[in-house]
Amino acid sequence: DIQMTQSPSTLSASVGDRVTITCRASQSISAWLAWYQQKPGKAPKLLIQKASNLESGVPSRFSGSGSGTEFTLTISGLQPDDFATYYCQQYSSYFTFGQGTKVEIK
Amino acid sequence: EVQLVESGGGLVQPGRSLRLSCAASGFTFGDYAMHWVRQVPGKGLEWVSSITWNGNSIYYMDSLKGRFTISRDNAKNSLYLQMNSLRTEDTAFYYCAKGGGYSSGWPFDSWGQGTLVTVSS
Repeated sequence: DIQMTQSPSTLSASVGDRVTITCRASQSISAWLAWYQQKPGKAPKLLIQKASNLESGVPSRFSGSGSGTEFTLTISGLQPDDFATYYCQQYSSYFTFGQGTKVEIK
Repeated sequence: EVQLVESGGGLVQPGRSLRLSCAASGFTFGDYAMHWVRQVPGKGLEWVSSITWNGNSIYYMDSLKGRFTISRDNAKNSLYLQMNSLRTEDTAFYYCAKGGGYSSGWPFDSWGQGTLVTVSS
C-alpha cells in the first residue's frame, strides 16, 4: 500500500501570508496526486488534480507542484476563506489520503 | 449542478448491518466511477470502496475483510454500500463521491454531505 505523509499537521498563519504544505508518498506516484480543502462540517472540495492542475473555479492563489514522491500545495496570499484543513490524495494505486494539514489563524 | 445525497446512516449495534444509499443527479451517473470515503469525526479521510461505471470492477480498502459491499444501479442513479458485521471502529461520516472518469483512476470531483454511522451498544 502507498502511504501519504503530510507536513506540517497544523500551520498557523496570517491573512496575506504565503503558505506551503508538503505531501510525501512512500513510493513514486508520478503526478497522480490531488489536493482537497475541507471546512468544518462540510464535505471536501477538490482543488488540484494531477499534482498541478487547478480545478475550474479555484482561485489562482492556489498552486501545486511536484512529481514522484514529493509534492507541495502553496497558497500565495492567504485569504480568510482559506482557513481550513487540506488533504493530499494519491490515486496511482487505489486511493490514499494524507493525514491532513489544518491551516489556522495566527 | 452535481448533487449527491447520502442516506441510511444511524445508530446500530455492533455486529448488525446497515445499508447506505447515495442518490445522484445533475450528471450522467452511468458514465462515472463512484466511491465511498469515511471520516471519523474530528479525524482524517479514509477511502473505503470504489466501483467503475458499469460495476465490473470493484475495489475495497484491505482492512474491511469482506464485510462491506459496494454496488450501483445506473437505472436509478444510485450508489449503495452494504455494511455487515459492523464494529465500533466503523463509526464515521460516510461520504459518497463522484470520480472524474469512467474508471477508478481519477480523483473525486464531487462529494455528498455525508451520513453519520454510529456503531454502539
